[in-house]
Amino acid sequence: GENVEQHPSTLSVQEGDSAVIKCTYSDSASNYFPWYKQELGKRPQLIIDIRSNVGEKKDQRIAVTLNKTAKHFSLHITETQPEDSAVYFCAPTGRAGNMLTFGGGTRLMVKP
Amino acid sequence: DSGVTQTPKHLITATGQRVTLRCSPRSGDLSVYWYQQSLDQGLQFLIQYYNGEERAKGNILERFSAQQFPDLHSELNLSSLELGDSALYFCASSVAGDTQYFGPGTRLTVL
Repeated sequence: GENVEQHPSTLSVQEGDSAVIKCTYSDSASNYFPWYKQELGKRPQLIIDIRSNVGEKKDQRIAVTLNKTAKHFSLHITETQPEDSAVYFCAPTGRAGNMLTFGGGTRLMVKP
Repeated sequence: DSGVTQTPKHLITATGQRVTLRCSPRSGDLSVYWYQQSLDQGLQFLIQYYNGEERAKGNILERFSAQQFPDLHSELNLSSLELGDSALYFCASSVAGDTQYFGPGTRLTVL
């Protein structure tokens, strides 16, 4: 099965700074790479996803970059705001529609 | 709001009991997935149904079972409950081959 690791496990940044979270995976057949944001006690919410035929995708302050050769993908958040504080999970999978294997999560804290 | 609904929101019960969690997927979604989130195990996949049939199984205990009904809603049955079953249980739904959207979860507390 898929072995997924996220780094760092916690990240504290000042408001306005950038944050980068990295996800490494083991299954070379993975071709769908979503990132979820989860606030305390709430549901995981999809914030951005990328498929393997694309190297980078951007949506306003959020971007995801994929390196299939090295088997890792990263979440980039620019101009961080206090409301970005949450736990972020990566969940690489064989294809969208398959069950998700989640990384251990990264707790992001944005200090005002 | 993702369009996925789950009931109940909270459930408190005793060890040895049996409970049923319910999930209604987004309109048009044929796939339903169940995940368990506990403090020490993170988010773990339990089971997937597609259009009424079991599609994939994760680390689901034998005491747990699920089904998907003709109207596509799904139920997760947990029996002989133990303290360690206390967790948040999420269901997610998707159109076949597309992104998963999560429901608000059911918080189960076993005393």
